[in-house]
Amino acid sequence: AQRVTQPEKLLSVFKGAPVELKCNYSYSGSPELFWYVQYSRQRLQLLLRHISRESIKGFTADLNKGETSFHLKKPFAQEEDSAMYYCALDIDGNKLVFGAGTILRVKS
Amino acid sequence: GAGVSQSPRYKVAKRGQDVALRCDPISGHVSLFWYQQALGQGPEFLTYFQNEAQLDKSGLPSDRFFAERPEGSVSTLKIQRTQQEDSAVYLCASSPLAGGVHGEQFFGPGTRLTVL
Repeated sequence: AQRVTQPEKLLSVFKGAPVELKCNYSYSGSPELFWYVQYSRQRLQLLLRHISRESIKGFTADLNKGETSFHLKKPFAQEEDSAMYYCALDIDGNKLVFGAGTILRVKS
Repeated sequence: GAGVSQSPRYKVAKRGQDVALRCDPISGHVSLFWYQQALGQGPEFLTYFQNEAQLDKSGLPSDRFFAERPEGSVSTLKIQRTQQEDSAVYLCASSPLAGGVHGEQFFGPGTRLTVL
């Protein structure tokens, strides 16, 4: 079965601290993974995708097929990073399977 | 440019009523998706259109749910005889890519449906 697991409902860190949002997936095919973010009162939007191997707003994510993980990391959290983060698995380009999401709170 | 728009933004229905939710995708986008997001959960796939063709409706929870995109642009999600468990945010997303090609989906603001 296709499944995405985000084990933390809430992650609270201080400004300047490192951040790691965990994501594990279950999929028999070749995984295409994304991180989407929803800031307060805004719509869901793409943060980054694993195939582009880019860093967006200081965030990176590496696909680890051995551990079936796609954790999102940032070395120094900023207050404006506070948001809801969703890990998503793309199934054949036809749909996304989302995790339950993790709320990131960055405290000053 | 304009993003994906959805209307109404909020809908309150009495149990048993029919509702229709509208999605206007980004102009020219081939693919259109509907998702249902219950409180505290991530979005869950409902159905997928490529132009006017509904290629996947495996996520529709029951035959009370029906979606259409007759001219390959605007889409309507209809829920008949609403029940309390239908209360959720309904998200529409579009993509310029056809099915089978992995790419970004652009989301609308959602319609929050509350069934009393």
